[in-house]
Amino acid sequence: QSALTQPASVSGSPGQSITISCTGTSSDVGSYNLVSWQQQHPGKAPKNMIYDVIKRPSGVSNRFSGSKSGNTASLTISGLQAEDEADYYCCSYAGSGTWVFGGGTKLTVL
Amino acid sequence: EVQLVDSGGGLVQPGGSLRLSCAASGFTFSNFWMSWVRQAPGKGLEWVANIRQDGSEKNYVDSVKGRFTISRDNAKNSLFLQMNNLRAEDTAVYYCARGQQLGDWGQGTLVTVSS
Repeated sequence: QSALTQPASVSGSPGQSITISCTGTSSDVGSYNLVSWQQQHPGKAPKNMIYDVIKRPSGVSNRFSGSKSGNTASLTISGLQAEDEADYYCCSYAGSGTWVFGGGTKLTVL
Repeated sequence: EVQLVDSGGGLVQPGGSLRLSCAASGFTFSNFWMSWVRQAPGKGLEWVANIRQDGSEKNYVDSVKGRFTISRDNAKNSLFLQMNNLRAEDTAVYYCARGQQLGDWGQGTLVTVSS
């Protein structure tokens, strides 16, 4: 149950696109299309932005998109907006009924 | 509207016990896996446990196995986390969440383990 690897921080200017990576292993990210991404603003509960690698819950902006290649999943945010500034966490199924999070990435909108 | 309300947190001494609750509304509770996730102060999210719709399958992170028990009462739309033999490292905000992929979250309840 080792944590997935995410960059500690990423930044971008309004209107730009950024991508956050989430690297696991062949035992978790690489084996299952069960990756979600959570957005968390300071002092708030997380919010689901992506599930099943690429699906967006109802109400989530289409500026958010997910993908996966091999053992690495990615979250791309296009047309960056000030309100996108938050912490982002990936989470993957890790087998045997268990799940594992990434360490989190702080997104700064410059 | 989906609503999850977490409760039961507080200050407890090392070795003590606490029972967390999560009251669910706005969806058919018995149709969904439910999960607990925690966040230590200033740290990232950690998956803790989940439970199948009928309670027949329960899964835990290694660090809480044998100490924590997840359960549910579908008649009362409620999820629980019984935490025994608590340690300082269990100090965190505990969130309940809907589904295995955490589609909706409660507001969290703070558990502090300290003497």
